[in-house]
Amino acid sequence: AQKVTQAQTEISVVEKEDVTLDCVYETRDTTYYLFWYKQPPSGELVFLIRRNSFDEQNEISGRYSWNFQKSTSSFNFTITASQVVDSAVYFCALSDPHSNSGYALNFGKGTSLLVTP
Amino acid sequence: DTAVSQTPKYLVTQMGNDKSIKCEQNLGHDTMYWYKQDSKKFLKIMFSYNNKELIINETVPNRFSPKSPDKAHLNLHINSLELGDSAVYFCASSPSGTENTGELFFGEGSRLTVL
Repeated sequence: AQKVTQAQTEISVVEKEDVTLDCVYETRDTTYYLFWYKQPPSGELVFLIRRNSFDEQNEISGRYSWNFQKSTSSFNFTITASQVVDSAVYFCALSDPHSNSGYALNFGKGTSLLVTP
Repeated sequence: DTAVSQTPKYLVTQMGNDKSIKCEQNLGHDTMYWYKQDSKKFLKIMFSYNNKELIINETVPNRFSPKSPDKAHLNLHINSLELGDSAVYFCASSPSGTENTGELFFGEGSRLTVL
């Protein structure tokens, strides 16, 4: 069975601080995908990144970076120089392309990030 | 052009009523999903469906039923609504086969409030 754990329920930082959101996953499969989604206060789910299990390269996109480590089953997300607009709930998710639930994503419980001025 | 659209966006109704939420996608995807997000923001899969197979999360009460008139639509019917059904319901779609990258494309959500 798959499981995604986001141990940080809420994080509060002051603008311009760096913040890392942790994600640990469990799966028996060798082929899988990992995702991060952002849910701002307006409620929609915004796709941020997808990683497949064979690609452990870290990725940077502007102020966002992701650290994927298979050895520790972690896929952490760092926001550099945080801004108020980064305030949102962030979800880590795991997809097993061979599961019998189609390609449904299993989500972690989310980390609520509050960035204050 | 909205890729995955849900209607209504807000729905307030009384306990015991029957209601539907509609979902349409114009992405040409084969697989559609319904997720429930509860008051604690936890997102849980309810159904996944393609034109061949409906897969139901076993924890979903049988008062919930998906209806798919064609592969671009997956509507959610809820009978005998209960207070605990209050949540935000998200529709999503994804391609299948070689086009599948695991990414889901979500609608904007439908907030259901049961009084």
